Order: sequence, then structure tokens, then C-alpha cells
Amino acid sequence: NAGVTQTPKFQVLKTGQSMTLQCAQDMNHEYMSWYRQDPGMGLRLIHYSVGAGITDQGEVPNGYNVSRSTTEDFPLRLLSAAPSQTSVYFCASSYRTSNTEAFFGQGTRLTVV
Amino acid sequence: DAKTTQPNSMESNEEEPVHLPCNHSTISGTDYIHWYRQLPSQGPEYVIHGLTSNVNNRMASLAIAEDRKSSTLILHRATLRDAAVYYCILRAWAYNTDKLIFGTGTRLQVFP
Repeated sequence: NAGVTQTPKFQVLKTGQSMTLQCAQDMNHEYMSWYRQDPGMGLRLIHYSVGAGITDQGEVPNGYNVSRSTTEDFPLRLLSAAPSQTSVYFCASSYRTSNTEAFFGQGTRLTVV
Repeated sequence: DAKTTQPNSMESNEEEPVHLPCNHSTISGTDYIHWYRQLPSQGPEYVIHGLTSNVNNRMASLAIAEDRKSSTLILHRATLRDAAVYYCILRAWAYNTDKLIFGTGTRLQVFP
């Protein structure tokens, strides 16, 4: 049981480049979400999904796209990277009920130069 | 989205109990109170959650006020490994939406 797996762990991008952060879970969780965490700050919700084919925006969605074609995977796409997107990104998953715990990946540290 | 308020930081000595408070005056009847913690350079990890009654598990206890407008996470004997940022979150599920919104959390320092 691998839990929530994020790849890559580290990435450096040039301004304007695009890339996809990968998130996969093997727990058959319906709910998945992406957060960003800037230095000294809490986590801010970017996008989330309550099931395959269903996604919605969180607090800070601009500059990011998501899709959910399978239950297991929830990739986060940066369309045109900007230095303001330098951050640590966390993916989370859980069953689709408020009476359960969420599991988090170990994070992707992204630097945009 | 219902908000939570926590102190920015707290300190404790090792082996002493720690009480971490959280205010959530706008909580609704279906919101569960969740606590997560984040150790340095790691993703958040689940600690405990509850609805109305006090809850205990191997990591901590959760005391919920009778009016549910506040709660307290209790670490019975703090260790150096408990030094982390602790987040109190309200989680409610409604059809096609389920957001886990984090606040700023409480940074707990534990001294030997």
C-alpha cells in the first residue's frame, strides 16, 4: 500500500515553461486535492475533485489546470510557469465523507527561475 | 467556508501535557472538527477528528465544547518529535463539494 505518491520530488522550471505534477493514490479514494505552501505559510487549496470526471476550483486556482480521468490519478498542470508559482505542492486524498482522515503526499518542491 | 482561529505559537517542555486551542464560532451542525500536524519538510499528517463527543486515539485527545464553537487538542506527554505546526480544520461534505481549508495553524515548540 503506497498511499499518496507525488512525482517529481524536486523540479526547477524556467519562466514560461509548462509541466505536470503527478499525484497517484492506491486507496480507491474519491476525493483528491492539490495545495500549495509558500515559505512560513499554511496550505492553500488550488483545485479539488470529488470523483472521476468532477473537478472544482479552490482558493488559488489561477495558472493551474486539473483533470480527473481515473480514480487513482489527479495531475496538476502549470500552463506557463511564473516565479510566483515557486512553492511546495502537496496532493491529498480521502474517502468522500467528512468523517474520515485525509492522506497527504510528501510534496513536490518547485522553483521557477 | 467555516473558519478556525488558532494561536500562532505555543511552547511546552518535554513530558508535559499540551493543550492546543481552536475557535470555530461559525461551525455548522454537520461540520467535523479535524486536526492535522505538519512536521518540518513533510506533508501534513492526520491526528484526530470528532463531531460532538470527546475523542481519544493513540496520538492525542480531542475535547469539544458543548456548543461546538471551540475545541482543544490534547497531547498528554509532549515529546521532541511532537514539535510541528498543528492545524485545526472544519470539514463538511455536501453533494459534489468537499473542501479541506487550512488556516495558519499553531507552531508548537517542545523544549528538552
